[in-house]
Amino acid sequence: ETGVTQSPTHLIKTRGQQVTLRCSSQSGHNTVSWYQQALGQGPQFIFQYYREEENGRGNFPPRFSGLQFPNYSSELNVNALELDDSALYLCASSEGTYFHTEAFFGQGTRLTVV
Amino acid sequence: KQEVTQIPAALSVPEGENLVLNCSFTDSAIYNLQWFRQDPGKGLTSLLLIQSSQREQTSGRLNASLDKSSGRSTLYIAASQPGDSATYLCALLNTGGFKTIFGAGTRLFVKA
Repeated sequence: ETGVTQSPTHLIKTRGQQVTLRCSSQSGHNTVSWYQQALGQGPQFIFQYYREEENGRGNFPPRFSGLQFPNYSSELNVNALELDDSALYLCASSEGTYFHTEAFFGQGTRLTVV
Repeated sequence: KQEVTQIPAALSVPEGENLVLNCSFTDSAIYNLQWFRQDPGKGLTSLLLIQSSQREQTSGRLNASLDKSSGRSTLYIAASQPGDSATYLCALLNTGGFKTIFGAGTRLFVKA
């Protein structure tokens, strides 16, 4: 039990639609990061938020966006879904900025785009 | 550009065997390295975190080492059990960087 929860656990969307994934971090964890993990690969960094501000982004297009709220919850929004967006989406939280301290992951949201 | 490689991609061993998983990286300017376990279709569980100033960390039957000069980290699992079957991922944070870079993982299967 990591104290990080994600919802929903599974989701099926149609190409072109928009989706919002949610993450609830541990209390006191000011940093949340989002990752995309395709089948058989390691997670790829999407972006990171620290105290409600984005402070780092990976090689993902602008249709991937996020929000972080003061109550340690956060969202990942993906617009204009493409078939290649099908993956496991993971959020991770930590006390410090970046991964200077230990990172705790949620169980993930499995997104399928058809 | 930092690249992280894990070898082997898959490993099958009999129960009770001691084993070593390898992680190599191309840029030695790292801040820390973390080993994770991932069960099929699940999230990641942190196993061990090694700061760049440390050489190893131990937790129970697990021992992780870090050699920045050679760009290598190893995860040693003693007396493996069927419950250890999972994918093991290493991930590192570059000095001055903001994103953690993962390897593709080693899928471990421990036979009873």
